[in-house]
Amino acid sequence: DIVMTQSPLSLPVTPGEPASISCRSSQSLLQSNGYNYLDWYLQKPGQSPQLLIYFGSHRAAGVPDRFSGSGSGTDFTLKISTVEAEDVGVYYCMQALQTPGTFGPGTKVDIK
Amino acid sequence: EAQLVQSGGGLVQPGGSLRLSCAASGFTVTDNYMGWVRQAPRRGLEWVSVISGGGGTHYADSVKGRFTISRDTSKNTVYLQMNSLRGEDTAVYYCARGHHYGSGRWGNADVWGQGTTVTVSS
Repeated sequence: DIVMTQSPLSLPVTPGEPASISCRSSQSLLQSNGYNYLDWYLQKPGQSPQLLIYFGSHRAAGVPDRFSGSGSGTDFTLKISTVEAEDVGVYYCMQALQTPGTFGPGTKVDIK
Repeated sequence: EAQLVQSGGGLVQPGGSLRLSCAASGFTVTDNYMGWVRQAPRRGLEWVSVISGGGGTHYADSVKGRFTISRDTSKNTVYLQMNSLRGEDTAVYYCARGHHYGSGRWGNADVWGQGTTVTVSS
């Protein structure tokens, strides 16, 4: 199975400041069609996960544009341009290149 | 609006069985690639099983041979039949609508159920 790692695992943030989370995969997630099979999800406290980014950089419907995904191959980044209080929760990356899909361990984002 | 409503969790003894349900509204399950993801207490997310629009199924090794994913088109509902349950199956189980990337690959899960808790304990 493809192993996913994330850093940091804990990220205290200040509202109004930017934030960044790194995700790495043990194998390249770039397919010959040019797409990276990498999703980002946010699980807010007490809630189900919600999709933020798919194909590494495509923002899901309804996701604020302060969220952006970048990267290719094995290295990916989720950036929040200006953190808001409602962005707290655990962020997961997930590879969809192979079955079974595998998630990273999660990055817990909370307010300083 | 697309929505998933889950039911069927609970407390079960080791070796027992349980069936989880995931009722869809606002879309048709047979037109989509549906999956189950679980989250053990204080742990991360784990991919469990998916079913394609054509009915093809895939399972994580940890549940293969014990869990069965299925659907009822008349009820627009997806199920997860869980047999021979073990303590390590204790988790919150989420169903989700995803997209099919071929060969059982599932991602871009844009609609999630509210989650249902399964506790395996004597």
